[in-house]
Amino acid sequence: NAGVMQNPRHLVRRRGQEARLRCSPMKGHSHVYWYRQLPEEGLKFMVYLQKENIIDESGMPKERFSAEFPKEGPSILRIQQVVRGDSAAYFCASSLATNPYFGPGTRLTVL
Amino acid sequence: KNQVEQSPQSLIILEGKNCTLQCNYTVSPFSNLRWYKQDTGRGPVSLTIMTFSENTKSNGRYTATLDADTKQSSLHITASQLSDSASYICVVSAGEANFGNEKLTFGTGTRLTIIP
Repeated sequence: NAGVMQNPRHLVRRRGQEARLRCSPMKGHSHVYWYRQLPEEGLKFMVYLQKENIIDESGMPKERFSAEFPKEGPSILRIQQVVRGDSAAYFCASSLATNPYFGPGTRLTVL
Repeated sequence: KNQVEQSPQSLIILEGKNCTLQCNYTVSPFSNLRWYKQDTGRGPVSLTIMTFSENTKSNGRYTATLDADTKQSSLHITASQLSDSASYICVVSAGEANFGNEKLTFGTGTRLTIIP
């Protein structure tokens, strides 16, 4: 059973471009969480999704950020018109009910 | 506001020595407390998880304690190895854990370096 998979592992974008981060949860897991980790800071909750539903997006910026977890395929975190402040590590976690397992993260660098 | 504070921020010890990392939290309603190990460039990996009624839990050379009254936890590492070099993150969960909608509050971690 493969763990949580994220791709790409590293992503470089110029200001104003779009970034798409993908997360494939562990097999059988229907809960997906996205977290952001800024340098020298702890992980911060962004959004919690179940299949086709956003359950809690209280940690996600209101503009430019969106997330989805379609019935088929990976969860996607989308950042439109990226700015330098979006540079961070983005971690996805999945769980069956509780106790999330984390993926290796995607490191986004905005030039 | 839910907060988790860890100390020290960084720690360097010799291989084979023991060490203890501290975590203080103000999270409500408390559900559980976890310690994670995060290697550089990797995602966090769970070491221990404790609920309100548990005051100690071990995982090999790692032993975590929890004092729910003082809202403090510690992670004790015995006979450290070079592979223990990593960040150790204290994470406190609030909310209805049984329904998956946990709110995890992360500490900023203790950066542990083991030197030969």
